[in-house]
Amino acid sequence: GEDVEQSLFLSVREGDSSVINCTYTDSSSTYLYWYKQEPGAGLQLLTYIFSNMDMKQDQRLTVLLNKKDKHLSLRIADTQTGDSAIYFCAETPRGNYQLIWGAGTKLIIKP
Amino acid sequence: DSGVTQTPKHLITATGQRVTLRCSPRSGDLSVYWYQQSLDQGLQFLIQYYNGEERAKGNILERFSAQQFPDLHSELNLSSLELGDSALYFCASSVTSQETQYFGPGTRLLVL
Repeated sequence: GEDVEQSLFLSVREGDSSVINCTYTDSSSTYLYWYKQEPGAGLQLLTYIFSNMDMKQDQRLTVLLNKKDKHLSLRIADTQTGDSAIYFCAETPRGNYQLIWGAGTKLIIKP
Repeated sequence: DSGVTQTPKHLITATGQRVTLRCSPRSGDLSVYWYQQSLDQGLQFLIQYYNGEERAKGNILERFSAQQFPDLHSELNLSSLELGDSALYFCASSVTSQETQYFGPGTRLLVL
């Protein structure tokens, strides 16, 4: 079946790069997403990548997709305290309208 | 601000009661999705509507129902509430069924 996995925590120093990883099982996924959830807040779409792309860059965010290994990563350059949040990876399997979610990675920023 | 609005922001009620959560999609979006976020189950897809019709169903309990009205707003009805229904309920919308989903701020439901 469909499954998305992420590690639960990542701790980085302010100013360093953060790399949040995600693996998924459904090779038919058309889009893969990264959403951000700050404490007590809703889900904010950060970026997404279409399955026929390998990389997408948007300011401090870089998404890398390895289709062979079904591995998705989100790199945040120059991590700031405002980046503290839970980051969710999600996929939309082909022909399926719902988002399948990972458990979320809590990004902790150390001063 | 995603453009998706949800009311109420918080809801506290008792077991056995019924509540209605409301969602207004972004202007121009035809599709509405409902998700539940709980500590033990994480984020789960409940149901999707497209232009007034049910399009897909996920892990939605029989005690729960939803609809999308002609003006495209949607309501999620939760009845015979149980303690385990306490969660954050998100609505999302997209232009069509397979476009990027934008989320509302959520309704936090607490069942006592």
